[in-house]
Amino acid sequence: AAGVIQSPRHLIKEKRETATLKCYPIPRHDTVYWYQQGPGQDPQFLISFYEKMQSDKGSIPDRFSAQQFSDYHSELNMSSLELGDSALYFCASRGQDRLYGYTFGSGTRLTVV
Amino acid sequence: KQEVTQIPAALSVPEGENLVLNCSFTDSAIYNLQWFRQDPGKGLTSLLLIQSSQREQTSGRLNASLDKSSGRSTLYIAASQPGDSATYLCAVGTTSGTYKYIFGTGTRLKVLA
Repeated sequence: AAGVIQSPRHLIKEKRETATLKCYPIPRHDTVYWYQQGPGQDPQFLISFYEKMQSDKGSIPDRFSAQQFSDYHSELNMSSLELGDSALYFCASRGQDRLYGYTFGSGTRLTVV
Repeated sequence: KQEVTQIPAALSVPEGENLVLNCSFTDSAIYNLQWFRQDPGKGLTSLLLIQSSQREQTSGRLNASLDKSSGRSTLYIAASQPGDSATYLCAVGTTSGTYKYIFGTGTRLKVLA
């Protein structure tokens, strides 16, 4: 069965650089969520999209932006990277039926040096 | 604001023991609750999903219960094995505002051979 695809799996960037993370949800899933998990931390909600519109916003820095495209894939853009942005970034998708909960991708590990 | 806490934060047990992981949440207005397993540096693997109308779910050696009124869920692992060593996270699907998951702080489990 198709899963949530995230790319790249690993990314190394220098401070002040820009990074773009991509998420391809399960087909026919219309909602995408982004989470950030720092070392030893639990995942923190960043932002979500429903039908290509932002539906909710969590603790996402102003340096970050995201969008969902017409094919429902989503991109998280991170600018002026800081050492503290080093984390595992997860994307999850959900269909209209909440009975099935979230399905998470394998994550993108971002390391800022 | 929903807060999710997991106790204990870390647990070390000998192989073969039955064990219970606890998850508490402050707002009982939840849609569902999902337990995940996370190996170090890896993604989130879904273990069990309990809807708010359900009392428990079982999968193999795992059993999760939900008591919405008291704001608690437990994950019971029978006959623990070294391969069960991982961090276990519970996530609560909120109904206040837009639907999203709030994660617990995690329990780091080590099963000794």
